[in-house]
Amino acid sequence: EDQVTQSPEALRLQEGESSSLNCSYTVSGLRGLFWYRQDPGKGPEFLFTLYSAGEEKEKERLKATLTKKESFLHITAPKPEDSATYLCAVQNTGGFKTIFGAGTRLFVKA
Amino acid sequence: GAVVSQHPSRVICKSGTSVKIECRSLDFQATTMFWYRQFPKQSLMLMATSNEGSKATYEQGVEKDKFLINHASLTLSTLTVTSAHPEDSSFYICSAWDILHEKLFFGSGTQLSVL
Repeated sequence: EDQVTQSPEALRLQEGESSSLNCSYTVSGLRGLFWYRQDPGKGPEFLFTLYSAGEEKEKERLKATLTKKESFLHITAPKPEDSATYLCAVQNTGGFKTIFGAGTRLFVKA
Repeated sequence: GAVVSQHPSRVICKSGTSVKIECRSLDFQATTMFWYRQFPKQSLMLMATSNEGSKATYEQGVEKDKFLINHASLTLSTLTVTSAHPEDSSFYICSAWDILHEKLFFGSGTQLSVL
């Protein structure tokens, strides 16, 4: 059964304090791994798709990397507006069904 | 702008009534849409996969007679919560798979409160 585990559950950072969020996954065959940002009371906002081990993608202060077992979302010099829940999800090659992890709630204090 | 539109954003209903939630893909045709349920401070729980022109595929433990899904066109899927009860109160989110860009886009969610 496909599974996604995210850690830590919550992360509190000072503004400018870089850190990483972890997403460990097991999937029968990986079609893609996704990162989303979700603000309270809203739907998830797409950030990245990673397809194969070794792939990296960047957007502003965020950088996502992928290995065969896990993905990291690196946040460089975060700002308070980066505070949100970050969700990781996987999609297997059997279809488009997408399974989400529990998320990491990030709090960035000014 | 939003590529997936979900309505209503909030609904309050009496126990025993039915509620319909619409999910529309605005900029692309979506043969596959998904419905998720989310409890406070928890992640998205996949309820069902909605395929245009065919029956939805429900996840284990999800009552197909309570949560009716219809995907009658390439841009519209609906979720009807039938005979709603307080335990059905939750945040429901739809998503649509953009096969061209290989991205899963989400609606803004519907907060259902059953009194």
